[in-house]
Amino acid sequence: GDSVTQMEGPVTLSEEAFLTINCTYTATGYPSLFWYVQYPGEGLQLLLKATKADDKGSNKGFEATYRKETTSFHLEKGSVQVSDSAVYFCALHTGGGNKLTFGTGTQLKVEL
Amino acid sequence: NAGVMQNPRHLVRRRGQEARLRCSPMKGHSHVYWYRQLPEEGLKFMVYLQKENIIDESGMPKERFSAEFPKEGPSILRIQQVVRGDSAAYFCASSSSTAARTAGELFFGEGSRLTVL
Repeated sequence: GDSVTQMEGPVTLSEEAFLTINCTYTATGYPSLFWYVQYPGEGLQLLLKATKADDKGSNKGFEATYRKETTSFHLEKGSVQVSDSAVYFCALHTGGGNKLTFGTGTQLKVEL
Repeated sequence: NAGVMQNPRHLVRRRGQEARLRCSPMKGHSHVYWYRQLPEEGLKFMVYLQKENIIDESGMPKERFSAEFPKEGPSILRIQQVVRGDSAAYFCASSSSTAARTAGELFFGEGSRLTVL
């Protein structure tokens, strides 16, 4: 079945550091890939998506490239801020409907 | 625009009691999804409903769990005779359609955290 594997957290960085959160997937067919973010006390929000190989999703300075050859969708940001502290979830979607398969989430803590 | 509204935010039940979790989707959304997040695990799909219909319940436990989305009112996830293993965060999400271009784009509520004593 479909699955998503994320690097374990928490990840603690200093402000303005470079961020990478790894995500790899296993799926039948050709999935769309997503990053969702959950800020403290809030629900998950869509951060970015990519629907086919080599697509790059980007939003709020975050980027992720759909790599079919390595089945990966790593999240990156060049300079993190304290306000980026949150839990980040990688997810995939295949087939019809809106059923998503999520990774376990990676907590990011950004310190001054 | 109000987002997806879930209540209660926190619910405490004793073993054997019933838990009812409610979800009002975003205005204009007719598709509702329930996910469960167990401690140290990712979100797991439970059920997908449209108004008055269950479309996909492949993630629902076979016993004690049920869900509905009536013509009027919120969607309800019901857990009968709760056990400690039901303690988790239950998230509701909604979408306006299942069109391919927006597939996978869900709007989530803040979750309902169930604790079973």
